[in-house]
Amino acid sequence: GAGVSQSPRYKVAKRGQDVALRCDPISGHVSLFWYQQALGQGPEFLTYFQNEAQLDKSGLPSDRFFAERPEGSVSTLKIQRTQQEDSAVYLCASSVGQGLYNEQFFGPGTRLTVL
Amino acid sequence: SQQGEEDPQALSIQEGENATMNCSYKTSINNLQWYRQNSGRGLVHLILIRSNEREKHSGRLRVTLDTSKKSSSLLITASRAADTASYFCATPIRGNAGNMLTFGGGTRLMVKP
Repeated sequence: GAGVSQSPRYKVAKRGQDVALRCDPISGHVSLFWYQQALGQGPEFLTYFQNEAQLDKSGLPSDRFFAERPEGSVSTLKIQRTQQEDSAVYLCASSVGQGLYNEQFFGPGTRLTVL
Repeated sequence: SQQGEEDPQALSIQEGENATMNCSYKTSINNLQWYRQNSGRGLVHLILIRSNEREKHSGRLRVTLDTSKKSSSLLITASRAADTASYFCATPIRGNAGNMLTFGGGTRLMVKP
């Protein structure tokens, strides 16, 4: 079956522009996560959804970052007034449930470059 | 902040050799997971070891866990050029809803043909 997909794969934005990154999780997966991965680093947690509810957004770096999952499937991560420090790969992951032993399936990521 | 730290940061070996990567973490865990990331791609789950397990195998992969030392190791035997990738250990963040993961900085493995 289809895995997690993300679009666009690459995004170049001018500083100050708004961007929207899309994630299509595996169908039926309850949990959805967003991570940010800086160059040469491991991913860092941003936010977590259980169905349409955003249960944890403690990793969002500023109030310029906003995520939603209105119907409990597709999710969008929006970054307003982008800054150069926002340049990173944004990874989306989904899992079938919220148990500690549920495997997370990752998408290919969106590489954001802010000029 | 990242919970795990991998060692070494980079490793270069010849095809056929074994590769060992280590991970140390700070707080108590329920499980530890290893992921692989090929250049420019997402992460692929390799193996999960629970806190009450000491060793686990999957194909050419062998993972050990020592909770008393808060460390884990990933051994890849008979390496292949296709094993060239970055490898990350990850642990669930306790005390939160869901099972979001905290990752180490990764080991970049290069296997030369």
